Amino acid sequence: GQSLEQPSEVTAVEGAIVQINCTYQTSGFYGLSWYQQHDGGAPTFLSYNGLDGLEETGRFSSFLSRSDSYGYLLLQELQMKDSASYFCAVLTGGFKTIFGAGTRLFVKA
Amino acid sequence: DVKVTQSSRYLVKRTGEKVFLECVQDMDHENMFWYRQDPGLGLRLIYFSYDVKMKEKGDIPEGYSVSREKKERFSLILESASTNQTSMYLCASLMGTSSYEQYFGPGTRLTVT
Repeated sequence: GQSLEQPSEVTAVEGAIVQINCTYQTSGFYGLSWYQQHDGGAPTFLSYNGLDGLEETGRFSSFLSRSDSYGYLLLQELQMKDSASYFCAVLTGGFKTIFGAGTRLFVKA
Repeated sequence: DVKVTQSSRYLVKRTGEKVFLECVQDMDHENMFWYRQDPGLGLRLIYFSYDVKMKEKGDIPEGYSVSREKKERFSLILESASTNQTSMYLCASLMGTSSYEQYFGPGTRLTVT
């Protein structure tokens, strides 16, 4: 079967750094994406990793290890507005996309 | 700005009704997707389309069909709505060349009674 595993909840303090891990088992792999979704809103794209290594976009970074079927999203200098759900998603062949169940991030003051 | 619009934000239908959910994107994207989102389950792919009149089943196609007669429009059809199809339905589009970002519509909250 195909599956993506990520923690259901993470809590961190404002200003801290948090890492959300994602392990995947899929038939076919093209790349790993991350999306953010605030309550009542639509998912919005954060990052995409097609190759091994780290991609940095401002306070957010994403990492991929294809050999380990593993990736993570790193959020630095946490702000209250970062409280949201974060989804990893695998693009398989033909852009079929499989999403994880999501990680709910709570940022405390 | 890419814009993906969905025909309704909220919809209430009765069991057995045929339901049409419409999605339109304005950026000439080749690929379009329909997902349903349920608490604790993330987004599950129902169907996707990589070109006009082309479609592929996702992970949970049972009870659904789709139509893509024009590039900008992707419709999800519930042939005979059932209560277990009560959910949030999200449409997305993706260029697929030079960008793998999926752009999502605002979603349709469908309740089947």
